[in-house]
Amino acid sequence: QKEVEQNSGPLSVPEGAIASLNCTYSDRGSQSFFWYRQYSGKSPELIMFIYSNGDKEDGRFTAQLNKASQYVSLLIRDSQPSDSATYLCAVTLSGGYQKVTFGTGTKLQVIP
Amino acid sequence: GAVVSQHPSRVICKSGTSVKIECRSLDFQATTMFWYRQFPKQSLMLMATSNEGSKATYEQGVEKDKFLINHASLTLSTLTVTSAHPEDSSFYICSARESYNYGYTFGSGTRLTVV
Repeated sequence: QKEVEQNSGPLSVPEGAIASLNCTYSDRGSQSFFWYRQYSGKSPELIMFIYSNGDKEDGRFTAQLNKASQYVSLLIRDSQPSDSATYLCAVTLSGGYQKVTFGTGTKLQVIP
Repeated sequence: GAVVSQHPSRVICKSGTSVKIECRSLDFQATTMFWYRQFPKQSLMLMATSNEGSKATYEQGVEKDKFLINHASLTLSTLTVTSAHPEDSSFYICSARESYNYGYTFGSGTRLTVV
């Protein structure tokens, strides 16, 4: 079982819709959870990070964490074509809190 | 916010030569920095954890004698790819974290091509 799993996509949504990206992780001791956006040929850009169960909102982005289900998601409201990118879920593992493991990413396509 | 600068952004070198990549934290001190490698259409793979003033910690399968890491100051870590071969061609990215209350910031990455 992979430590961090994401559907590779592509996930296609029309402009203005809500994009929902999902991620599961295997280590119950995981403490910090991150969502990064990566455009082709570029390095990842941090969008959100979340530590506690529940929702965290920042502008059009909402991260949701459910530690009991080992599940973290990212909602993008009012999706724009510029949101088209690969979204990486990342988790810090227990027993080495700074070490970050990445999922393989979900490719999002926002259709104008 | 935290800024991590990485140079060069792109380098082409001949097989058998060495290449040095620099990673700097511009507005914060980073006792720990991380080096990743990313092959096309794959996710980031952690290569090593760079610790200021001490030896780097390498992930399983990463040759420490081939990928030399030096973290001589609180704002600079370097990765040297020694005796580069074409299979070392990849996108190398560093990252650091300003504090526990912030996420990890990535450098802009270095595209290494070994010919």
